[in-house]
Amino acid sequence: GAVVSQHPSWVICKSGTSVKIECRSLDFQATTMFWYRQFPKQSLMLMATSNEGSKATYEQGVEKDKFLINHASLTLSTLTVTSAHPEDSSFYICSATGVDNQPQHFGDGTRLSIL
Amino acid sequence: GENVEQHPSTLSVQEGDSAVIKCTYSDSASNYFPWYKQELGKGPQLIIDIRSNVGEKKDQRIAVTLNKTAKHFSLHITETQPEDSAVYFCAAMGSSGDKLTFGTGTRLAVRP
Repeated sequence: GAVVSQHPSWVICKSGTSVKIECRSLDFQATTMFWYRQFPKQSLMLMATSNEGSKATYEQGVEKDKFLINHASLTLSTLTVTSAHPEDSSFYICSATGVDNQPQHFGDGTRLSIL
Repeated sequence: GENVEQHPSTLSVQEGDSAVIKCTYSDSASNYFPWYKQELGKGPQLIIDIRSNVGEKKDQRIAVTLNKTAKHFSLHITETQPEDSAVYFCAAMGSSGDKLTFGTGTRLAVRP
């Protein structure tokens, strides 16, 4: 089956630093990748949608300058949380789809803790 | 936009019994409905999906039914096992054709 790898799985860093999270599709070409944020015991909240080679589309209320998304190839998308603060602490999950947008396959998430 | 409601929020069943989780959606143009299982500390894992041209789909102990007229779909797990314990999310793909809207999740506990 389709595999999506996300790295790192867990990161702790000081307030003010920037953190990059990678999302890779290992056995298929991901024309579209999605980034979600999930708070404890809550559902997944879509942050942005990215297509290979084009700018990401951000959901309402998500700061594009805060959460930088790059989708430079058909197998890799990155999310950079810039100048991270404690309120950015969360579980970030990526997903990827092929040409028909179905189904979405998810990575195992990155737990981000900002001290 | 699409709105997906999911019930119940928690469900506890005895091992071997069946579990049913129900979702309703608002966008009549939605045409794709996946179900995901999320274990603690992990990402969601696709367990079954159904498209709008089909009323029912089954995969071993798991089945999904879709009622387009009523705009609701359900997940059925038979002969539940302790390893079925997890949070289950339904989702719907609306008329945008790419984004999924997720339900609020059901925490299923299977008692040995």
